Amino acid sequence: DAGVIQSPRHEVTEMGQEVTLRCKPISGHNSLFWYRQTMMRGLELLIYFNNNVPIDDSGMPEDRFSAKMPNASFSTLKIQPSEPRDSAVYFCASSSEGSSGNTIYFGEGSWLTVV
Amino acid sequence: KQEVTQIPAALSVPEGENLVLNCSFTDSAIYNLQWFRQDPGKGLTSLLLIQSSQREQTSGRLNASLDKSSGRSTLYIAASQPGDSATYLCAVIGSARQLTFGSGTQLTVLP
Repeated sequence: DAGVIQSPRHEVTEMGQEVTLRCKPISGHNSLFWYRQTMMRGLELLIYFNNNVPIDDSGMPEDRFSAKMPNASFSTLKIQPSEPRDSAVYFCASSSEGSSGNTIYFGEGSWLTVV
Repeated sequence: KQEVTQIPAALSVPEGENLVLNCSFTDSAIYNLQWFRQDPGKGLTSLLLIQSSQREQTSGRLNASLDKSSGRSTLYIAASQPGDSATYLCAVIGSARQLTFGSGTQLTVLP
């Protein structure tokens, strides 16, 4: 399996622009997570989907952030308008329920810089 | 609200030493606990998953233990190597399947 695939890997954008981050979870996984990592705050859960339905979005910082999962193989995280304080690494992760527990697998991350 | 603490924040050891990384959590009602490794500029690599009903898991030179009642987990690395240098993150998985991460332990193994 190719693992969790994220794009873009790196993005530099100007303040006020729209940013869309994409994620393809591991095939067969029914849970998908978006995390943000910064030096100051570490890893923070933004939103969690189960079977394509948002379960917990309490970590989404404000209305400028939105996430969708139109089908089991694709999710987007959108920031509109972007601000410099949104600069961070955004990770997508997926997992599935199983007898051995639910190991969570992370993508390589999207490095976002807003200038 | 679950809080996860990792001690120490940084650790430097000579090659060949055995070492222990510590993780503590405030809410013992956990589903699983997972240890990750993160290399600079990279994503997170899963090392070990311990289900709440288990007390330890082993993979190669790594051994992770879990004591739910005391809210603690340890990651034991045997015969450390320079390639083990990375940040090690402990994550507690709650009943809603979301992870709460510790701030990590940055390990440096000196050749």
